[in-house]
Amino acid sequence: DQQVKQNSPSLSVQEGRISILNCDYTNSMFDYFLWYKKYPAEGPTFLISISSIKDKNEDGRFTVFLNKSAKHLSLHIVPSQPGDSAVYFCAAETQGGSEKLVFGKGTKLTVNP
Amino acid sequence: NAGVMQNPRHLVRRRGQEARLRCSPMKGHSHVYWYRQLPEEGLKFMVYLQKENIIDESGMPKERFSAEFPKEGPSILRIQQVVRGDSAAYFCASSPALNYGYTFGSGTRLTVV
Repeated sequence: DQQVKQNSPSLSVQEGRISILNCDYTNSMFDYFLWYKKYPAEGPTFLISISSIKDKNEDGRFTVFLNKSAKHLSLHIVPSQPGDSAVYFCAAETQGGSEKLVFGKGTKLTVNP
Repeated sequence: NAGVMQNPRHLVRRRGQEARLRCSPMKGHSHVYWYRQLPEEGLKFMVYLQKENIIDESGMPKERFSAEFPKEGPSILRIQQVVRGDSAAYFCASSPALNYGYTFGSGTRLTVV
C-alpha cells in the first residue's frame, strides 16, 4: 500500500529550462510535505517543505505547490542546472506524532548542459 | 560541526551472521531515526529513538531486528541472522527535537552474501 507515489522514475530536461517533479498521496491525514534531494552514495538532503495550510512555498529556484483536493504536490525548479541532477524524493508526515516520514520511490532528474 | 556519522559505510555479511550498524547523531541531537532503502524503493521508516528510549518502532520487522540509543555512545541497529533480503541501504537521521526537521547520514550499505 503505497501512500506516497512518484509515478515518473526519471525526468530529463535541458539546462535553463523548468523541471517539474510530481507526487501524489493517498492518506488524507498527511499535513506536512517535504522534498529531499539525494546524490549517489549520500544521504537525502532536505530541500523544501510545505504545510497543508498553504498551497505554495518558494525558496530561490525551488517552488513547491500543493493541491489538497487532488492530493497532489509538485516541485518546480527553474532554471534547472546540471548540479540539480539527482534523485528527488517526496515525503509526507502527519504532524503531532513521531515525525516519521513516508517516502515516495523517487524521481531521477537529469539536467543536460 | 560534524554531521550525522554512520559506520561502517559498507558492510558485507554472510547469511546467518549478525550485522551492527552505528549512528552518531549531530552534536546536541537527542532524537534518532532509522530508515531502510531497498533497491529501487524509497526510504521506509524503521524506528524512532530518544536517549535510552524507543519511542516508535512501528516500522521494525518483528524478528531479528533491534535498535538502541544508550545514554553514552552511538545508536546501534542490530540485525541478527541476516538473510539476502536484508541487503539494503540503512540511513540514520538525527534531530534536536520534534518538529525541527532532521539531518540524514550518508548511510550504511549492507550486502548479505
